[in-house]
Amino acid sequence: NAGVTQTPKFQVLKTGQSMTLQCAQDMNHNSMYWYRQDPGMGLRLIYYSASEGTTDKGEVPNGYNVSRLNKREFSLRLESAAPSQTSVYFCASSEAGGRYYNEQFFGPGTRLTVL
Amino acid sequence: AQKITQTQPGMFVQEKEAVTLDCTYDTSDQSYGLFWYKQPSSGEMIFLIYQGSYDEQNATEGRYSLNFQKARKSANLVISASQLGDSAMYFCAMREYNDMRFGAGTRLTVKP
Repeated sequence: NAGVTQTPKFQVLKTGQSMTLQCAQDMNHNSMYWYRQDPGMGLRLIYYSASEGTTDKGEVPNGYNVSRLNKREFSLRLESAAPSQTSVYFCASSEAGGRYYNEQFFGPGTRLTVL
Repeated sequence: AQKITQTQPGMFVQEKEAVTLDCTYDTSDQSYGLFWYKQPSSGEMIFLIYQGSYDEQNATEGRYSLNFQKARKSANLVISASQLGDSAMYFCAMREYNDMRFGAGTRLTVKP
């Protein structure tokens, strides 16, 4: 039982390049989330997927797209990376969206640097 | 508007003593959840404790307790008998439906 896994762990991009961050969970959770964490700040929600087949914007969605490939996998795509997107990206999952009491389980994070 | 406020950027505590980390939140919803997460230097996010807006009793999980004062909109984390391994960043978070907001965090350092 691996929980939430993310690939890659580290990535360096040049401005304008694109890439996809992968996330998978094996806990049979319905809901999945993408966050970014900038230095000295808490996590900010980029996008979430309350259930398979649905995605919604969070607090900071600009510059990102997501795909809920199936119940297990939720990917985050940067179409044209910018230095402002340098951050640590966390994927998380929870049992059900819309229920405020469900804790979120986090992956180990992806450290992305955009030059 | 800032929804979660953690006013203590850094805190120091002596080993074996108790420490309180402050958190205030802003919401007009009646249903919400409050969470505390620990982030050690290795970077992972570790869930510590949860308090629901309708829970009348304060949540406790081992050495962690949450001092929930609904009218004041505060959800302070109390760590009893601090250990060296408690040194980390601590984040307060509030969940309203699918929206989860985090505070900026408090860095706790436990001194031997």
